[in-house]
Amino acid sequence: GQQVMQIPQYQHVQEGEDFTTYCNSSTTLSNIQWYKQRPGGHPVFLIQLVKSGEVKKQKRLTFQFGEAKKNSSLHITATQTTDVGTYFCAGVSSGSARQLTFGSGTQLTVLP
Amino acid sequence: GAGVSQSPRYKVTKRGQDVALRCDPISGHVSLYWYRQALGQGPEFLTYFNYEAQQDKSGLPNDRFSAERPEGSISTLTIQRTEQRDSAMYRCASSSSPGTKTGELFFGEGSRLTVL
Repeated sequence: GQQVMQIPQYQHVQEGEDFTTYCNSSTTLSNIQWYKQRPGGHPVFLIQLVKSGEVKKQKRLTFQFGEAKKNSSLHITATQTTDVGTYFCAGVSSGSARQLTFGSGTQLTVLP
Repeated sequence: GAGVSQSPRYKVTKRGQDVALRCDPISGHVSLYWYRQALGQGPEFLTYFNYEAQQDKSGLPNDRFSAERPEGSISTLTIQRTEQRDSAMYRCASSSSPGTKTGELFFGEGSRLTVL
């Protein structure tokens, strides 16, 4: 079945440093979504990417979808303490009936 | 409602008992998903519905797990003869996206199940 892997599993950064998490799928994806889950909270949708090579920005967050539509990345510039949480990618395989498979997540800690 | 509502928020049960977890999606949302999330892991897909039709139940671990959404709104996930390994956070999510394209999922706060 479809597998979605994320690295790193954990990342500690000093406030102001940049952060990147990578997502890789075992199958080609029709689209990929990113979610953020604060400690003790539930996943909250950030963005969806659909096109090969697509890049989207949300303030300090930059999302990329790979040319082959099998990988994606999230980059945060100049992290802030409010960025703390676990970031999940979630993908839908091409041809599948909308099953959204989540990666294992990257837990970000921002040290003040 | 304003958001996805799940109940109970916490459920402690003894091994062998049946449990029913309820999800009330955002009003008008077509699709409803059930996920299970272990501590430190990503949500694991269980099943999903479009309206009242169960479209995919491939993620249900075994036949002790079942789900229904009889009127295309509220859904119930039932676990029969619970086992300790069923202990987890069970999350429901809904989406307004119709058709075959996956859209933004809105998650509820979850139901934390503990099987003693």
